[in-house]
Amino acid sequence: GENVEQHPSTLSVQEGDSAVIKCTYSDSASNYFPWYKQELGKRPQLIIDIRSNVGEKKDQRIAVTLNKTAKHFSLHITETQPEDSAVYFCAAHNDYKLSFGAGTTVTVRA
Amino acid sequence: GAGVSQSPSNKVTEKGKDVELRCDPISGHTALYWYRQRLGQGLEFLIYFQGNSAPDKSGLPSDRFSAERTGESVSTLTIQRTQQEDSAVYLCATSAGGPLEQYFGPGTRLTVT
Repeated sequence: GENVEQHPSTLSVQEGDSAVIKCTYSDSASNYFPWYKQELGKRPQLIIDIRSNVGEKKDQRIAVTLNKTAKHFSLHITETQPEDSAVYFCAAHNDYKLSFGAGTTVTVRA
Repeated sequence: GAGVSQSPSNKVTEKGKDVELRCDPISGHTALYWYRQRLGQGLEFLIYFQGNSAPDKSGLPSDRFSAERTGESVSTLTIQRTQQEDSAVYLCATSAGGPLEQYFGPGTRLTVT
């Protein structure tokens, strides 16, 4: 099955700085890579996704890059704000199932 | 329309009791997933339903866990003879199928005392 690894497990950044989270996946057949944000006590919510036919996607302060050859993808958050503090999960879709990374706890220091 | 809903939102039960958790999907969503999330941990896949196909039960941790779904409607996750290690948030997610966004419910927080 698919195995997704996510790093780092925790990330503390100064407000206004950038945050980068990296994930690797094992199955080259995976074709869809969403990122979910989970605030404390809330449900995970999709913030951005990318498909295997695209190398990069951007939505305001959030961008995701995908390197299919190396089987890794990354989330970039620029100009971080306190409301960006949350747990972020990457995932890889293979066949019908999403396999999730273990999560990154991001703390934005004011 | 409404999003994914789950009930109850919180459940406290004594060790050894059975519990039933419910998930109401978004109308038209053929795919339904159950996940378990222990405190401070990631999302652990439990089971997947797609329409009337046989479910993928490969993530169920033991035979005390079972789930049902009739067609594209409500799903129930049943845990028999609960143990303390079953304490977690149980999340349901649905999608229109295929590599598309999964919409999560608010979860049921289960505490086994």
